[in-house]
Amino acid sequence: AQSVTQLDSQVPVFEEAPVELRCNYSSSVSVYLFWYVQYPNQGLQLLLKYLSGSTLVKGINGFEAEFNKSQTSFHLRKPSVHISDTAEYFCAVSRNNFNKFYFGSGTKLNVKP
Amino acid sequence: ETGVTQTPRHLVMGMTNKKSLKCEQHLGHNAMYWYKQSAKKPLELMFVYSLEERVENNSVPSRFSPECPNSSHLFLHLHTLQPEDSALYLCASSPGQGGAGELFFGEGSRLTVL
Repeated sequence: AQSVTQLDSQVPVFEEAPVELRCNYSSSVSVYLFWYVQYPNQGLQLLLKYLSGSTLVKGINGFEAEFNKSQTSFHLRKPSVHISDTAEYFCAVSRNNFNKFYFGSGTKLNVKP
Repeated sequence: ETGVTQTPRHLVMGMTNKKSLKCEQHLGHNAMYWYKQSAKKPLELMFVYSLEERVENNSVPSRFSPECPNSSHLFLHLHTLQPEDSALYLCASSPGQGGAGELFFGEGSRLTVL
């Protein structure tokens, strides 16, 4: 089975500051990588995904992530956060030809005014 | 309606009750999933159905019983649950293109077992 580690359970940050949410995965084979966001009392929404090609992936709401195969990482970044970005963020991986997705334990981003 | 719809949104049940959670997807997807979300734990994959066949049962206790009558509907039947089963149960669907098609989630069913 795949393993996904989100190193920070909570990240406090001030509005308009940059933020990075870290994600590492364990796999000896090629994987697909995803970031999801969950707002209170809602399901998860896709922010961005990496399937192949350019290692820098841009998503919605100004977020981007970089796939680093040698470090097995897929960190999420935003250059300037807003109050509305306060939510929980989940990293996930899947493998080709498998309909199984594995999630990290989530990182709660708290944007302060 | 569009997307993935889950009902009920909230459910309180005693340990001897029998209830069901329902999920419906309007996306034409071939795969459907049940996940359990508990506080401070990773999302736990419970069941996966692909083209109405169960392809994954992730060591889930038998008090949880899934049913997928067609590619648009997924149920989770609950009986003799324990308080530790209290959690948010999330349904999701995907196109079924292996792992490349992302998951689309419903808003979840918040279950409380007394």
